[in-house]
Amino acid sequence: DTGVSQDPRHKITKRGQNVTFRCDPISEHNRLYWYRQTLGQGPEFLTYFQNEAQLEKSRLLSDRFSAERPKGSFSTLEIQRTEQGDSAMYLCASSISPAFFGQGTRLTVV
Amino acid sequence: KQEVTQIPAALSVPEGENLVLNCSFTDSAIYNLQWFRQDPGKGLTSLLLIQSSQREQTSGRLNASLDKSSGRSTLYIAASQPGDSATYLCAVKADSGGGADGLTFGKGTHLIIQP
Repeated sequence: DTGVSQDPRHKITKRGQNVTFRCDPISEHNRLYWYRQTLGQGPEFLTYFQNEAQLEKSRLLSDRFSAERPKGSFSTLEIQRTEQGDSAMYLCASSISPAFFGQGTRLTVV
Repeated sequence: KQEVTQIPAALSVPEGENLVLNCSFTDSAIYNLQWFRQDPGKGLTSLLLIQSSQREQTSGRLNASLDKSSGRSTLYIAASQPGDSATYLCAVKADSGGGADGLTFGKGTHLIIQP
């Protein structure tokens, strides 16, 4: 499979727990983006990497959120002390023009 | 701050009809515009990409136009089929140096094609 892969596809967690999501981009793409999408809304930009460097972070990315891309390959997005408002689909995209999206990770905080 | 609006929010039409989805954006300093399709619970699939210097792009039954100066784009779907049922999202990328490198999305148009 040469597309963008995200893991897990679904995650249910209790409020206050930490969660981590993984994204494997298309191998030759050096840019990787994270977005968050809530029900009935379009995706909202969170952060982006060029290779291993995190070049931009949205104000939506509170200090409970952290993203990494060690060695410029896969990326992880961690949410600490989850809140019910964090429930959303978290999407990863490889490249931007055009953008190739993964299937997303659906997070439910109960 | 760039804002993207899509009209209508929802549309239901019989199979075979031609239809137009609309997208408008507030800041004309864009690098490009993309139309995406999203099936329920899934990721996004890029349908068409229009660079800021282009007026339109075509792929099969889909045609997208861009009027950068007026901040508008349309997605035309010809001879609609039930398999076209999905949410269609419009997204713009800011011109280099003009803003965030990410895409700014509209809320989408939820399209249902009745068999």
